Amino acid sequence: DAGITQSPRYKITETGRQVTLMCHQTWSHSYMFWYRQDLGHGLRLIYYSAAADITDKGEVPDGYVVSRSKTENFPLTLESATRSQTSVYFCASNEQGAGNQPQHFGDGTRLSIL
Amino acid sequence: AQRVTQPEKLLSVFKGAPVELKCNYSYSGSPELFWYVQYSRQRLQLLLRHISRESIKGFTADLNKGETSFHLKKPFAQEEDSAMYYCALSANNQGGKLIFGQGTELSVKP
Repeated sequence: DAGITQSPRYKITETGRQVTLMCHQTWSHSYMFWYRQDLGHGLRLIYYSAAADITDKGEVPDGYVVSRSKTENFPLTLESATRSQTSVYFCASNEQGAGNQPQHFGDGTRLSIL
Repeated sequence: AQRVTQPEKLLSVFKGAPVELKCNYSYSGSPELFWYVQYSRQRLQLLLRHISRESIKGFTADLNKGETSFHLKKPFAQEEDSAMYYCALSANNQGGKLIFGQGTELSVKP
């Protein structure tokens, strides 16, 4: 699904730095999601958004900030990166947020915090 | 509490053998259940959803509400099935948020 893209694909940074992961979708889907993927935990929801200017916390929101000024973009910011935030981050979208609709995922961003 | 459990971290089978990846869920209402697959270093892709009751790439999954299970099955595994498989639950009226299991890595040996 080329309609959802994440950047960068790989990022190495240091503890304490701010880093922003970008997510862009071309389908005009209402709902967008950020997950982190860690061994032994599967994927866990960080934040999600039902529409522009509407965001809400997921299971593991601490240390993260999101915004959604435009429907197609949903950036995720780590304000002061910590080593525990080393992970693979996936962005996803869903047309209407209906429970029976699948989510479409991006390629992921592999983030390493030294 | 809503929860998805995949008891096996790793499942290793030989080519041509049957495979069953287990998934159990905890949810008080009527859940929507999905299986997603992630091939090596690729994005997650939808494999199956229970409402479709379809077979994709030879895989099937049946929702058993009595046992709260949604096991993924394939009668004859192929090497290209080697991947990470995630079972996921979407609760009603929660904006399509997914709750994932821990994942099972399937390794199909020649």
